[in-house]
Amino acid sequence: GENVEQHPSTLSVQEGDSAVIKCTYSDSASNYFPWYKQELGKGPQLIIDIRSNVGEKKDQRIAVTLNKTAKHFSLHITETQPEDSAVYFCAASRFFGNEKLTFGTGTRLTIIP
Amino acid sequence: GAGVSQSPSNKVTEKGKDVELRCDPISGHTALYWYRQSLGQGLEFLIYFQGNSAPDKSGLPSDRFSAERTGGSVSTLTIQRTQQEDSAVYLCASSFDRGIENTIYFGEGSWLTVV
Repeated sequence: GENVEQHPSTLSVQEGDSAVIKCTYSDSASNYFPWYKQELGKGPQLIIDIRSNVGEKKDQRIAVTLNKTAKHFSLHITETQPEDSAVYFCAASRFFGNEKLTFGTGTRLTIIP
Repeated sequence: GAGVSQSPSNKVTEKGKDVELRCDPISGHTALYWYRQSLGQGLEFLIYFQGNSAPDKSGLPSDRFSAERTGGSVSTLTIQRTQQEDSAVYLCASSFDRGIENTIYFGEGSWLTVV
């Protein structure tokens, strides 16, 4: 089955700086890679996703890059703000969100004011 | 409702008792998932329902765990003879059928504490 590894497990950055979280996956057939943000006491919320037919996707301060050859993908948050503090999870699946997602172990991001 | 609805939001139960957790998916979503999240941990897949197909039960940790989905909508996750290690947040999610716009949306979770 699919195995997703995520690094780092914790990350602290100064407000205004950039944050990068990296994930690798094992199943070369995976073709859908979403990122979820989870705030304390809440369920995960999708913030951005990427499909295997593109290498990069951007949405305002958030971007995701995908390297299918190396089987890794990354989340980039620029101009970080205190409200970006949360736990971030990467995930992978074989179809466009319609098969079970295999999640990474999460990254606790803390933005230092 | 507008989102995935789960109940109860919090449940404290005695070891050995049975519990039922309910999930009401987003209207029109044919796929429904259950995940478990232990304190400070990642999301562990439990079970997946897709339309009328047989569910994927490969993630259920033991035969004390079962789930059903009635009428293709509401789902119930049942844990029999609860153990302390069952304490976790149980998250339900749903999505549309195969296609371009089938993002998986999560509910707020049911926090289960077994004492």
